[in-house]
Amino acid sequence: KQEVTQIPAALSVPEGENLVLNCSFTDSAIYNLQWFRQDPGKGLTSLLLIQSSQREQTSGRLNASLDKSSGRSTLYIAASQPGDSATYLCAVIRTGTASKLTFGTGTRLQVTL
Amino acid sequence: NAGVTQTPKFRVLKTGQSMTLLCAQDMNHEYMYWYRQDPGMGLRLIHYSVGEGTTAKGEVPDGYNVSRLKKQNFLLGLESAAPSQTSVYFCASSRGTENTGELFFGEGSRLTVL
Repeated sequence: KQEVTQIPAALSVPEGENLVLNCSFTDSAIYNLQWFRQDPGKGLTSLLLIQSSQREQTSGRLNASLDKSSGRSTLYIAASQPGDSATYLCAVIRTGTASKLTFGTGTRLQVTL
Repeated sequence: NAGVTQTPKFRVLKTGQSMTLLCAQDMNHEYMYWYRQDPGMGLRLIHYSVGEGTTAKGEVPDGYNVSRLKKQNFLLGLESAAPSQTSVYFCASSRGTENTGELFFGEGSRLTVL
C-alpha cells in the first residue's frame, strides 16, 4: 500500500526566506506526483504536476523536483511571502490506478512579516 | 469559469437521516472522485468514476453510495448518516490517465452529523 509522508507537519519562516517542503512515498511505481495548496476552509488548488518521466517542474517562484528511485519530491518556494501561508499537500498517482491519488497529510506553512 | 462545483457547501444532519451531495464539472472530464478530509488523516478516496454510468469503490466506501448518470455530474449519497461521517467532502475531476491525470477540486462540502 502506498504511503505518503510530509515532513515537517508545520513550518514558520520569515518573509523573504527560501524554503523547501518535503514529500516521500513508499512505492516508486507512480504515474505522476502533484503538489496542491489548500487555504483554510477552502478546496485544493493544483500547483505543479510532475509526470514520472520528468525530474522537475517550475511555476513562478515554485519549483518541484521528483526522484522516483529514492521515493522523494521537494517543493521549493523562493522569496516567500505572507500570501504563501497555507497547507501544502503532495499526492501521488500509482501507475494504472485510474488517477486515484494517495495524499500526504500536508505541511502547514506560516510566512511571517 | 466554474470548474468543479459542489452543493451544498454546508449541511447539518441528525443520525439516521439521508442526504445527497452533488458535484458538477464543466470541463468535460471523464474521471470524477469523492474524497473526505479529516484532521490528521489526510484526504481519503470514497468512490470514483471513470466515465458516465460507471462507479467504483475507493479506500473508504462503506456507508456511501454514488451515481454518475450524466458525465458532468457525480452524486454522493448517505443513506443513514452516522457521526463518523462528519467530515469535509471534496469532489474532484480529471481527464484521465491518457493525459496528465491532473486533478481539479471543488471547494468542499462541510457535513456535520449530530
